[in-house]
Amino acid sequence: EVVLTQSPGTLSLSPGERATLSCRASRSVSSIYFAWYVQKPGQAPRLLIYGASGRATGIPDRFSGSGSGTDFTLTISRLEPEDVAVYYCQQYEASPPTFGQGTKLEIK
Amino acid sequence: EVKLVESGGGLVQPGRSLRLSCIASGFKFDDYAMHWVRQRPGRGLEWVSGINWNGGNVDYAESVKGRFTISRDNAENSLSLEMNSLRADDTALYFCAKDMSFGARTNVFDVWGQGTRVSVSS
Repeated sequence: EVVLTQSPGTLSLSPGERATLSCRASRSVSSIYFAWYVQKPGQAPRLLIYGASGRATGIPDRFSGSGSGTDFTLTISRLEPEDVAVYYCQQYEASPPTFGQGTKLEIK
Repeated sequence: EVKLVESGGGLVQPGRSLRLSCIASGFKFDDYAMHWVRQRPGRGLEWVSGINWNGGNVDYAESVKGRFTISRDNAENSLSLEMNSLRADDTALYFCAKDMSFGARTNVFDVWGQGTRVSVSS
C-alpha cells in the first residue's frame, strides 16, 4: 500500500500567519487522486481539498493544495483561531486508499 | 441537509460479533458509493471498506478481509458493517462516509457521520 508521511507532526503558529503542511508518498501518486481532510476536536473529519488542488464545498480560499508525484502541500494563508485541528492527507489512486498520520495545527 | 447517522457500536468481547448501521438522508443514496472508515484511539484514519452504488462491488482493507462484511439497502437508505471475530485492535470510532463521486467509487469522502464507538475487550 502507499504510505503517506506528514510533516511536521505539530505546527504552532500565530493568527494571521501562513501554515505549510507537507505530505510525502512512498511512491508517485497522480495529483488528481490526492486529498486533504481536517478534523477539529470532537468532530468528524471534513473534506478540504480533492484532486490535489480543488476546494470542497464551503471551504474558504485561505486553503489551497498543491503538489505532484510524491510531494504534496496544504497551505493555509492568514491563520484563524478556528483552524486549530488535525489535518490529514489521503491518496485514492491505489487500493486501499490511505491516509497520513496527521499534522496537528496549534494556534498560539 | 445531507446527513449520516451511525449506530450499533458498543463493548464486545474478543471473538464476538457486532453489526454497525448507518442511515443516510438528504441525498439520493443509491447514486453514491459508501464507505466505513475507522479511527483507533489516539491514532489517524484507516479506510475499512467500501461498496458501490448497488452493492455489486465491495472492497476491504487487508486487516478486516474475511471478518467484516459491508452491505447496503437502497430502499432503506442504509449501510451496514457486519463485524465478526472481533479483536482488540478493532477498537475504534467507526465512521460512515459518502463517496464524493456520482455513480462511481473513487474513495474520496465528502460527507461523514459522527461515528459509533466499538470497544473490544474481555
